Amino acid sequence: DSGVTQTPKHLITATGQRVTLRCSPRSGDLSVYWYQQSLDQGLQFLIQYYNGEERAKGNILERFSAQQFPDLHSELNLSSLELGDSALYFCASSVGQGNRELFFGEGSRLTVL
Amino acid sequence: DAKTTQPTSMDCAEGRAANLPCNHSTISGNEYVYWYRQIHSQGPQYIIHGLKNNETNEMASLIITEDRKSSTLILPHATLRDTAVYYCIVSAGGSQGNLIFGKGTKLSVKP
Repeated sequence: DSGVTQTPKHLITATGQRVTLRCSPRSGDLSVYWYQQSLDQGLQFLIQYYNGEERAKGNILERFSAQQFPDLHSELNLSSLELGDSALYFCASSVGQGNRELFFGEGSRLTVL
Repeated sequence: DAKTTQPTSMDCAEGRAANLPCNHSTISGNEYVYWYRQIHSQGPQYIIHGLKNNETNEMASLIITEDRKSSTLILPHATLRDTAVYYCIVSAGGSQGNLIFGKGTKLSVKP
């Protein structure tokens, strides 16, 4: 158990819909990261937040957005969903903003039909 | 961040040492070598990292060559539960950049 909690574990929705994935970081960790893992793309870094502020952006689509709240939990919002958005979405946390020792959650599996 | 090259797959007998190589010939002086693993569809798990010196923890040992252009992750006594994809990642610390995962090495530990 990494201490990072992600909900929901599984989500099935239709194209064009919007979903929100939630992440609670380990106690004391200030950074939250989001990664997408699909069969053909591997693990792709999406975005990082540190203490409520965006710190780094990766291959995140404009249809996707994220935020980190004052209690440090984070949400990843995916809108206008397409079939290709079907993937595992992982959240990770770390103590600092430059720390590379990340603790990953078990992921949220999104299926878009 | 520097790019890494790893074999696509490797086999190891249970109870034997598993030695996973990684080439990172373009590594910069401020970049660390990180190893993570991912057991089927679970979240990646941090294993170990190093800069210049060899490192050891309860999970594994990391051997970095003197020129830092390659490294080897050693699992001293592999078990079936060590079957996973192992990722070697090179990244600078600080706020620059993030962990960029490649395709990794699929390690299969066989009885």
